[in-house]
Amino acid sequence: GIQVEQSPPDLILQEGANSTLRCNFSDSVNNLQWFHQNPWGQLINLFYIPSGTKQNGRLSATTVATERYSLLYISSSQTTDSGVYFCAAFLRTSGTYKYIFGTGTRLKVLA
Amino acid sequence: AAGVIQSPRHLIKEKRETATLKCYPIPRHDTVYWYQQGPGQDPQFLISFYEKMQSDKGSIPDRFSAQQFSDYHSELNMSSLELGDSALYFCASSLGGHGYTFGSGTRLTVV
Repeated sequence: GIQVEQSPPDLILQEGANSTLRCNFSDSVNNLQWFHQNPWGQLINLFYIPSGTKQNGRLSATTVATERYSLLYISSSQTTDSGVYFCAAFLRTSGTYKYIFGTGTRLKVLA
Repeated sequence: AAGVIQSPRHLIKEKRETATLKCYPIPRHDTVYWYQQGPGQDPQFLISFYEKMQSDKGSIPDRFSAQQFSDYHSELNMSSLELGDSALYFCASSLGGHGYTFGSGTRLTVV
């Protein structure tokens, strides 16, 4: 099956720093989504991004589907950005759909 | 905007007991997905329903069953609970497989 790998697995930043998180997927996917899981366990949708670039405030994401990767950029990081960031590759096969989650990047932003 | 509602938020059960988790999808969403996230793990796909029919099945134990009802809400039934079933259980919904919205999850603790 498809493999979704994220890097780095762990990241510690000082408040105000910028960072780039990477998501590689081993096969063609129909879509890709980035999620933030906050310290309380909630999964928050960040971007629904099959290709191209999107921006939302301090966050932006780029997916290059032909090269099977996606990047999440966090600028001017804040302590509230802490948590785990997951990318999930969306597969549609034989009329069914599901997301396969990556291994996650655990981010801690220090004040 | 309406979100995916899961209940209960927290559940504590003893080994060998039964648990039922409920999920109320976003109105007009036709697909419901269940995921299990163990401590420090990425979410793993369990099962999905499209228009009240099971559409896909992942790593769901035989002790678990699920269904989607006529009002589109879904229930995940877990029997003969084991300590290893302690996890965060997420439900998500989508319309035609386009973009997931996750519920806040149910944290199940088996003691």
